[in-house]
Amino acid sequence: ETGVTQSPTHLIKTRGQQVTLRCSSQSGHNTVSWYQQALGQGPQFIFQYYREEENGRGNFPPRFSGLQFPNYSSELNVNALELDDSALYLCASSLVGTVNQETQYFGPGTRLLVL
Amino acid sequence: QKEVEQDPGPLSVPEGAIVSLNCTYSNSAFQYFMWYRQYSRKGPELLMYTYSSGNKEDGRFTAQVDKSSKYISLFIRDSQPSDSATYLCAMTRNAGNMLTFGGGTRLMVKP
Repeated sequence: ETGVTQSPTHLIKTRGQQVTLRCSSQSGHNTVSWYQQALGQGPQFIFQYYREEENGRGNFPPRFSGLQFPNYSSELNVNALELDDSALYLCASSLVGTVNQETQYFGPGTRLLVL
Repeated sequence: QKEVEQDPGPLSVPEGAIVSLNCTYSNSAFQYFMWYRQYSRKGPELLMYTYSSGNKEDGRFTAQVDKSSKYISLFIRDSQPSDSATYLCAMTRNAGNMLTFGGGTRLMVKP
């Protein structure tokens, strides 16, 4: 176990709704990255937060937004859900600024189904 | 064309076989290379990471990086049924930054 937790584990929404996914990073980690993994594909980078600031963003529209809190936990918000948003959403934490900063540890993911 | 290409498999081998998993990539700026294992309906688990070219060994696992060919490999010796999973290669330009993943190779090790 990596110590990264995500909630909820599963979620069903309808098109047009909004969703919030949550992540608690591994103790002591200061950076959280979010990835979207469609069925049968590799994870795709959504964005990264370092010390509560967005620190890089992938090719995702603005309706994907996030937050990082002072305790380094994080939220991913998706507005105006589309059918293609159905995927496993993964959170990964790391400790940037140290020898092992390239190592990202993943949580179990939240499986989102949009109907 | 994707930045990182990986044969999706499935790759089926008998227990005890040596498994070779590979990825090719197009971005020469990648410097850090990782292999993750993902069991069904679970998050990816880091197996190995390597900086730049070279080999790295950890137990039954060996990772190789050939930057000149833009080719990375993961070898699994004495494969076990518990190794059955999807193996994802990932890489990044700068430590701590976004990871670019391959599509994953599904491995099945039969008893």
